[in-house]
Amino acid sequence: SYDLTQPPSVSVALGQTARMTCGGNNIGSQRVHWYQQKPGQAPVLVIYSNHNRPSGIPERISGSASRNTATLTISGAQVGDEADYYCQVWDSATGVFGGGTKLTVL
Amino acid sequence: EVQLVESGGGLVKPGGSLRLSCAASGFTFSSYGMYWVRQAPGKGLEWVASVSDTSRDIYYAHSVTGRFTISRDNAKNSVFLDMISLRAEDTAVYYCGRSGGWGPREEIDYWGQGILMIVSS
Repeated sequence: SYDLTQPPSVSVALGQTARMTCGGNNIGSQRVHWYQQKPGQAPVLVIYSNHNRPSGIPERISGSASRNTATLTISGAQVGDEADYYCQVWDSATGVFGGGTKLTVL
Repeated sequence: EVQLVESGGGLVKPGGSLRLSCAASGFTFSSYGMYWVRQAPGKGLEWVASVSDTSRDIYYAHSVTGRFTISRDNAKNSVFLDMISLRAEDTAVYYCGRSGGWGPREEIDYWGQGILMIVSS
């Protein structure tokens, strides 16, 4: 089975840049999607197909992927960005989520 | 406005069965794939099942294959998850999600609010 590895937690100072990684074998050849989930709420799609933003998602949220790592970047981190972030790919017919990263804004 | 509203959750005994429903509105339901994703208490997201727009393509997670059945009724703008032989480890919030396209292997661009199912004696 295909595994996606995310660090359990990432901290960033207010206004600085947060980078959250998602590791997977040759993930750079996959389409990676990212979801934000705040406590008690449903997930929200923030990046699809590696780097595309759905409407309503600010430009300071961006994504990239190469070789074995995909990265979600949040520039100018705000308190409102505190959430769990999950990466996701399709491995053939199977949906795979990473374990999630909890972003803390200090 | 796209809306997905799950229903049918609750408490069920181990070995029991349950049907979850998801009512969709605000888009042409028959043109999109649909998903079920679950989240156990305090845990991460787990994909459960997918169905394409016409139901031609259906996929399941290994953990639910043979016990769960996803289906849809395009005339009623609804997708369902029929669950049998339920286990304690199936306890989770179940989310209904819409595919970004017709197929069952796209991003999940809209999510319902989720419905809790507890399997316990």
